[in-house]
Amino acid sequence: NFMLTQPHSVSESPGKTVTISCTRSSGSIASNYVQWYQQRPGSAPTTVIYEDNQRPSGVPDRFSGSIDSSSNSASLTISGLKTEDEADYYCQSYDSSTVVFGGGTKLTVL
Amino acid sequence: QVQLQESGPGLVKPSQTLSLTCTVSGGSISSGGYYWSWIRQHPGKGLEWIGYIYYSGSTYYNPSLKSRVTISVDTSKNQFSLKLSSVTAADTAVYYCARADIVAIFDYWGQGTLVTVSS
Repeated sequence: NFMLTQPHSVSESPGKTVTISCTRSSGSIASNYVQWYQQRPGSAPTTVIYEDNQRPSGVPDRFSGSIDSSSNSASLTISGLKTEDEADYYCQSYDSSTVVFGGGTKLTVL
Repeated sequence: QVQLQESGPGLVKPSQTLSLTCTVSGGSISSGGYYWSWIRQHPGKGLEWIGYIYYSGSTYYNPSLKSRVTISVDTSKNQFSLKLSSVTAADTAVYYCARADIVAIFDYWGQGTLVTVSS
C-alpha cells in the first residue's frame, strides 16, 4: 500500500499564509480524493477540505486545498492565519478499499 | 444531524479482547451509502484507520491489523462494533467511530474513548 508523508510541524505568524504538504509514496495523488482534517487537543477531527479542494459549509474560505501531480502531493493552504487555526492537521486518502492517513502536522500560530 | 457514541471498557488486560460499540443516532445504518468505521489514535500520535463495515456486512480492514480485528454491525440496534484480539500495551489508544462516504470522506465522528491495556 502507499503512505502519505507530512511535515511534523510548521509555524507562522497571525495574518500570514501557511502551506502544509502531503506527499503520496506510490500511486498517483490524483487517483483518489484527498481530505484534510483539523484536530484540536482533546477533540475529534473535523473536515476542513474534502475531495482535494472542496470546503464543507462553515469552513472559512481562508482554507484551500490543491493537488500537484508533478510532485505527487496535496497541499492545504491557510491564509490570514488566526490563533484559532493552531491545531494538528491530517491528510487522508484511500486506495483499493484501504484508508491511509498522513502522520499529521502540528501548526503553531505565534 | 448524525451522532455517533462509543461505549465499552476503558481498561483491558493484555492478551484479552478489546470490545467497543458505536451507537448511531440521527441516521440509519441500514439506509446504505456509508461505511461505518473505526479509527484509533495512540497517545500523542497520529490517526490510524482500523477498518470499516457496510450495512450489508462487507468489511474492509487495515492490513496491519487484519489478523486481530473483527467489525460487525447490528442494524436492529443501529450499532456497529469492534473487537481487537490479543491486545498489548501498544493497543492503548483513543478509539473513534466515524462515518465515511463511498469515497472515504469521514464526515461524522464520535467523541472518542480511551482504552488502556494494562494488567
